[in-house]
Amino acid sequence: TQLLEQSPQFLSIQEGENLTVYCNSSSVFSSLQWYRQEPGEGPVLLVTVVTGGEVKKLKRLTFQFGDARKDSSLHITAAQPGDTGLYLCAGASDDKIIFGKGTRLHILP
Amino acid sequence: DSGVTQTPKHLITATGQRVTLRCSPRSGDLSVYWYQQSLDQGLQFLIQYYNGEERAKGNILERFSAQQFPDLHSELNLSSLELGDSALYFCASSVRDFSYIQYFGAGTRLSVL
Repeated sequence: TQLLEQSPQFLSIQEGENLTVYCNSSSVFSSLQWYRQEPGEGPVLLVTVVTGGEVKKLKRLTFQFGDARKDSSLHITAAQPGDTGLYLCAGASDDKIIFGKGTRLHILP
Repeated sequence: DSGVTQTPKHLITATGQRVTLRCSPRSGDLSVYWYQQSLDQGLQFLIQYYNGEERAKGNILERFSAQQFPDLHSELNLSSLELGDSALYFCASSVRDFSYIQYFGAGTRLSVL
């Protein structure tokens, strides 16, 4: 059974601090996606990474796909209250997509 | 706004009942995906349709069924409901068959009492 483990489960930090959240698996994925979900809304796609070692930047967010395509990280620089939400990673392979349970991030003003 | 419309937004029903959740994909999208999200299990893929045909199945119970109609909207039918079926149900759509780039609706919150 493929599993995606996200850590930490919860993270509460002050505005302006940096943070990194992780998404790990023992399985290889053809691609990995990061989503952000806010209360009462569906997940919104932030980025897709497909190549081992790939790094993508989206303003203050930096996404990295592991060399072996089994893990990924999301780094946020100078976190802002608007970054608050549930961050989900999803791994795709063959005809399956599996989601991690997410990291619930709360940025304190 | 993702362009994916789900109705109803909230649904409260009793155990043993049957409900139908509806999803209209983004204009031009041919694929529809259904997911269940609960606190303990996270987001679980249920089933995918592409242009009216079932294409992939995930952890969907036999009590659950879905279909995609010629106008591309989709319905998820949940029957013999149990307390444990209480969850958020999301629909997502994409242009291509089984794409990892999916656009999610706002979900239907189902409460089984």
